[in-house]
Amino acid sequence: KAGVTQTPRYLIKTRGQQVTLSCSPISGHRSVSWYQQTPGQGLQFLFEYFSETQRNKGNFPGRFSGRQFSNSRSEMNVSTLELGDSALYLCASSLGTDVSEQFFGPGTRLTVL
Amino acid sequence: GQQVMQIPQYQHVQEGEDFTTYCNSSTTLSNIQWYKQRPGGHPVFLIQLVKSGEVKKQKRLTFQFGEAKKNSSLHITATQTTDVGTYFCAGALLGGTYKYIFGTGTRLKVLA
Repeated sequence: KAGVTQTPRYLIKTRGQQVTLSCSPISGHRSVSWYQQTPGQGLQFLFEYFSETQRNKGNFPGRFSGRQFSNSRSEMNVSTLELGDSALYLCASSLGTDVSEQFFGPGTRLTVL
Repeated sequence: GQQVMQIPQYQHVQEGEDFTTYCNSSTTLSNIQWYKQRPGGHPVFLIQLVKSGEVKKQKRLTFQFGEAKKNSSLHITATQTTDVGTYFCAGALLGGTYKYIFGTGTRLKVLA
């Protein structure tokens, strides 16, 4: 079956702009989690959506938001971009039950100039 | 806040040597997952441990979950060049919150 897809794969923006990233989970998976990966901070949890509801949230400012659609596809939005937002943004899909493995997408590499 | 630390941060080994990475949580975990990320790639699921004291093996890899469910380890026997990458543990908090805190990762380099 098809894996997790993320679009776009690469993005260059300037400070102050906003950006929307998309994630299509594996068919049948209802949970999508978003992570930010940077060399200095590692993998940090942003939020998790399950059946169109945000079920968990990490410690990121309100500029980071997300949503999930009825087909489980998810989008993440970052407004008023800062230089420090440059990172690899990964989404992971899972069944969303207590003990289910996460399948990661290839990520979106965001560069903020 | 909850933290998951991993040691060592980096490890260089000669091919054929063993390797171990340790994961320690500041709070009790519901379960723990291990992932491997190759350079330039994305994390790939290796295994999940749920029970206190659980030990699981996958060929040359042995995973353990501590009795108190606050620590875990991954041991690789006789490393190969294909083992190169960063190994992450990810702990799920108690309470069924489905929120995974990733460890800081251990980057393994295997010298042929």
